[in-house]
Amino acid sequence: NAGVTQTPKFRVLKTGQSMTLLCAQDMNHEYMYWYRQDPGMGLRLIHYSVGEGTTAKGEVPDGYNVSRLKKQNFLLGLESAAPSQTSVYFCASSYSPTAEQFFGPGTRLTVL
Amino acid sequence: AQKITQTQPGMFVQEKEAVTLDCTYDTSDPSYGLFWYKQPSSGEMIFLIYQGSYDQQNATEGRYSLNFQKARKSANLVISASQLGDSAMYFCAMRERETDSWGKFQFGAGTQVVVTP
Repeated sequence: NAGVTQTPKFRVLKTGQSMTLLCAQDMNHEYMYWYRQDPGMGLRLIHYSVGEGTTAKGEVPDGYNVSRLKKQNFLLGLESAAPSQTSVYFCASSYSPTAEQFFGPGTRLTVL
Repeated sequence: AQKITQTQPGMFVQEKEAVTLDCTYDTSDPSYGLFWYKQPSSGEMIFLIYQGSYDQQNATEGRYSLNFQKARKSANLVISASQLGDSAMYFCAMRERETDSWGKFQFGAGTQVVVTP
């Protein structure tokens, strides 16, 4: 039981490049979330999903897209990376909206 | 608007002492949940404790307890008998039920705790 996994763990991009972050969970959770963590600002919700095929915007969605084609996977895409997207990205999942969220180990992304 | 406020950016505590981490929140939703997470230097987020807005008693989990004062909109975390391994960043978070019940979380900025021998 791996819980929530994220790939890659580290990535460096140049401005304008694109990439996809993969989140996978093996707990059969319906709800999945993408956050970014910046110094002094805590975690901010980017996008979330309440089930396969459904996604919704969070607090800071601009510049990101997501997809949930399979229940266990939640992908976060950056179409044209900007230095302002340098951050640590966390994926999380929960079995219900009232339950605690289980987090992945994070992806450290640097955009030059 | 900031919905979760953690006013202590950092604090030191001696081993075996108790420490209280402050958290105040802002919501008009009568149904909400409050969570505390720990983030050690390794970076992972670890769930500690949960308090529901309708819970009559304060939540406790081992050495962690939540001092829930609903009228003051305060949900302070108390760590008893601090250990060196408690050194970490601690985040308070809130989930409001809202009409869609999708469980969107909002996090505070965090409090860095350093436990000294």
